[in-house]
Amino acid sequence: QSVLTQPPSASGTPGQRVTISCSGSRSNVGSNPVNWYQQLPGTAPKLLIYSNDQRPSGVPDRLSGSNSGTSASLAISGLQSDDEADYFCASWDDSLSAVVFGGGTKLTVL
Amino acid sequence: QLQLQEAGPGLVKPSETLSLTCTVSGDSIKSSHYYWGWIRQTPGKGLEWLGTIYYAGTTYYNPSLKSRVTVFVDTSKNQFSLKLSSLTAADTAVYYCATHHGAYCRSSGCYPYYFDNWARGTLVTVSS
Repeated sequence: QSVLTQPPSASGTPGQRVTISCSGSRSNVGSNPVNWYQQLPGTAPKLLIYSNDQRPSGVPDRLSGSNSGTSASLAISGLQSDDEADYFCASWDDSLSAVVFGGGTKLTVL
Repeated sequence: QLQLQEAGPGLVKPSETLSLTCTVSGDSIKSSHYYWGWIRQTPGKGLEWLGTIYYAGTTYYNPSLKSRVTVFVDTSKNQFSLKLSSLTAADTAVYYCATHHGAYCRSSGCYPYYFDNWARGTLVTVSS
């Protein structure tokens, strides 16, 4: 069981907006920044969002992140077929003194 | 442009120790910008952080694996390495080396920040 909880799957049609949640606790999401990674099939994860809502250069602004209390979210608007991938959230956990990940959400573009 | 490349055996026997090396190119492993980490991925458990090191010696380990994991740096070779002992089939996974974008500091201390560069990953199978 992962420390951070994500829905195992999400889906949407091209052009739609989808949101992926990441639920944690006071010791992780509630106290520390959340980061999001995208993993395309057969490749290594890639940083998508850091520090809750910051985008690295090259990441389009149709992707956004937020963090409220013990739950964080990744939103993808204007859904494209290229967005079909696995998405993982991660944070530092004060109680465990560890980097913790969510179990991942598989996004399907219908 | 920082690049990372893992190297190590693809097959290891149960009870043995896994040794993986990550070679850094494009910057010095003594750069103050980075912490150096290891993560693995299995179909059943998703992504699991193993451990992280700063070149000056500070280490952080996953408490669930702490007794079996060692991460160390070889500055002369611009490499950092992972050793994982007492292997079982459950350690079969794709192993990644990656950089943390420095540390995230609060009044309670400093912690490895987000992973901003990942190597391609290497599959390690534990089997006799």
